[in-house]
Amino acid sequence: GAGVSQSPRYKVAKRGQDVALRCDPISGHVSLFWYQQALGQGPEFLTYFQNEAQLDKSGLPSDRFFAERPEGSVSTLKIQRTQQEDSAVYLCASSLVGLAGYTGELFFGEGSRLTVL
Amino acid sequence: GENVEQHPSTLSVQEGDSAVIKCTYSDSASNYFPWYKQELGKRPQLIIDIRSNVGEKKDQRIAVTLNKTAKHFSLHITETQPEDSAVYFCAATSYNAGNMLTFGGGTRLMVKP
Repeated sequence: GAGVSQSPRYKVAKRGQDVALRCDPISGHVSLFWYQQALGQGPEFLTYFQNEAQLDKSGLPSDRFFAERPEGSVSTLKIQRTQQEDSAVYLCASSLVGLAGYTGELFFGEGSRLTVL
Repeated sequence: GENVEQHPSTLSVQEGDSAVIKCTYSDSASNYFPWYKQELGKRPQLIIDIRSNVGEKKDQRIAVTLNKTAKHFSLHITETQPEDSAVYFCAATSYNAGNMLTFGGGTRLMVKP
């Protein structure tokens, strides 16, 4: 595909359920980011991959959040035992460049809107 | 870490008028400052960016200025049109941050016909 693809676009979960959100970055993009965007707020950083390596996970709000990118392409963000405060749009973004002292354009997906009841 | 503040949170202008959105950042090492436009329910899309080695960049009706000494940068939209209505986010990052963008809180721009 031409852009970053995320699925599902919408997810409703009951409190305590586990959810998995998928991101297909642009082919060949080295860097992949997950952001959390609460209603009316700017995106907040969650975690960053360069290829399959998770270089920064300092933004993950708790140990219920886990992300992986095992083959350096598709990434999955997993949230265990969901809580109401997890309700947000989860944005995935990819970039062609990696950690090289050069910052390149981030291409965002449409996001996965998670609602926890 | 980096902290980015953005003002105003909402901005209403008449079609044809100019709009200015301002951001400040805290990390003097930041060297890349993009602006994203996000329409309701859509993905953020890059509209313009500036690097720390220049003070101003222009692309048709939009321009961005950067003051490294004061650590602030601004987005200027001239001759606003209804289709400019959206939420605009500024962001900052640096080599040290590994391309991780820190975003401002966003500005909802409404252009009234």
